[in-house]
Amino acid sequence: KNQVEQSPQSLIILEGKNCTLQCNYTVSPFSNLRWYKQDTGRGPVSLTIMTFSENTKSNGRYTATLDADTKQSSLHITASQLSDSASYICVVNYFGNEKLTFGTGTRLTIIP
Amino acid sequence: EPEVTQTPSHQVTQMGQEVILRCVPISNHLYFYWYRQILGQKVEFLVSFYNNEISEKSEIFDDQFSVERPDGSNFTLKIRSTKLEDSAMYFCASSVAALRPDTQYFGPGTRLTVL
Repeated sequence: KNQVEQSPQSLIILEGKNCTLQCNYTVSPFSNLRWYKQDTGRGPVSLTIMTFSENTKSNGRYTATLDADTKQSSLHITASQLSDSASYICVVNYFGNEKLTFGTGTRLTIIP
Repeated sequence: EPEVTQTPSHQVTQMGQEVILRCVPISNHLYFYWYRQILGQKVEFLVSFYNNEISEKSEIFDDQFSVERPDGSNFTLKIRSTKLEDSAMYFCASSVAALRPDTQYFGPGTRLTVL
């Protein structure tokens, strides 16, 4: 069973619009949750990291939220740009070890 | 801005051959990682390395795999006898890890194709 589930699998939006991506996880005990952006054929790039005690973290037009009680996170992108087209991956870290557990990602396409 | 580099960008090999994938982590980083991503699938953790030894490894990282930091700058992943299912993108990452949780910086990846 995949311990990090993301939805939707893919999303197409118009340039300038906002969108929200969802992540549900079952990893326990939980230490921190990360969102990465991965362009096709490239390595993931970190967007945000939140510990279990944080509710929200922003990085420019990206805002991540975390509800550790319901084990849900979201990534909100405002005023989307063509360069936002990529896969967005939710990644969860077990408490006490270094292993990162990756979700399958949401493929976001921004169209002009 | 410093970045993680990896060579080669693409490696093609015959099944059963040994391959070595190379990575140069960011210079002041202390923790090093290898991940793989089979085409169309999620990224999977292979191994973490700190203070010249493996600190953690996944079930994927069996006896066919080994890692080494031979000269204080390079970090290598060796696959002794490649199998068809080893075909994947392999990513190296590094982090400072002076303060947890740490940001892991990923390299551009090496695409390994086993024929």
